[in-house]
Amino acid sequence: QKEVEQNSGPLSVPEGAIASLNCTYSDRGSQSFFWYRQYSGKSPELIMFIYSNGDKEDGRFTAQLNKASQYVSLLIRDSQPSDSATYLCAVTFTGTASKLTFGTGTRLQVTL
Amino acid sequence: GAVVSQHPSWVICKSGTSVKIECRSLDFQATTMFWYRQFPKQSLMLMATSNEGSKATYEQGVEKDKFLINHASLTLSTLTVTSAHPEDSSFYICSADRGDYEQYFGPGTRLTVT
Repeated sequence: QKEVEQNSGPLSVPEGAIASLNCTYSDRGSQSFFWYRQYSGKSPELIMFIYSNGDKEDGRFTAQLNKASQYVSLLIRDSQPSDSATYLCAVTFTGTASKLTFGTGTRLQVTL
Repeated sequence: GAVVSQHPSWVICKSGTSVKIECRSLDFQATTMFWYRQFPKQSLMLMATSNEGSKATYEQGVEKDKFLINHASLTLSTLTVTSAHPEDSSFYICSADRGDYEQYFGPGTRLTVT
């Protein structure tokens, strides 16, 4: 079974700190990796995606992909209380086109 | 761009009745649409994938006769929950793919079956 795993948290960080969210996946041939943010009662919103090994930065967010270790992470710099949400990792597995498999999500709490 | 709407945003129905949820891509044509269900404090679970003009592909464990999906055009897909029961109460979310392998999510529909 193809799986995406995340620590459910909650992950608590103080305002201004770096939050590090991790995700592992089971299919070595996976091609595309996505991070979504979901506020309570709302649908997910895309933060960023990454396809290639290495880092990809977008504002305060950095996604890191290591295909050899089957690991993708999201770093949030200068965390703000408004970043408090559940962060979902999603992966498209080999041969499934754009079909996303989601992890269970990590709940992030940014404290004042 | 890439806006997806859902209607209704919430609905309450009685057990045994059917409910239809619409998903529309407002500013693009969706090659594929997806339907997800999310129970409280759980992740999104894919229910089915639909392509315009063809039958939906359901995930294992999803009853195709209970959750009817119709993808009538490149901008509209509907999910009908037939003979709804309280255990069908959930947050239903659709998404649409415009061919660039990114999924654009609708705002979701909260279904409560009494």
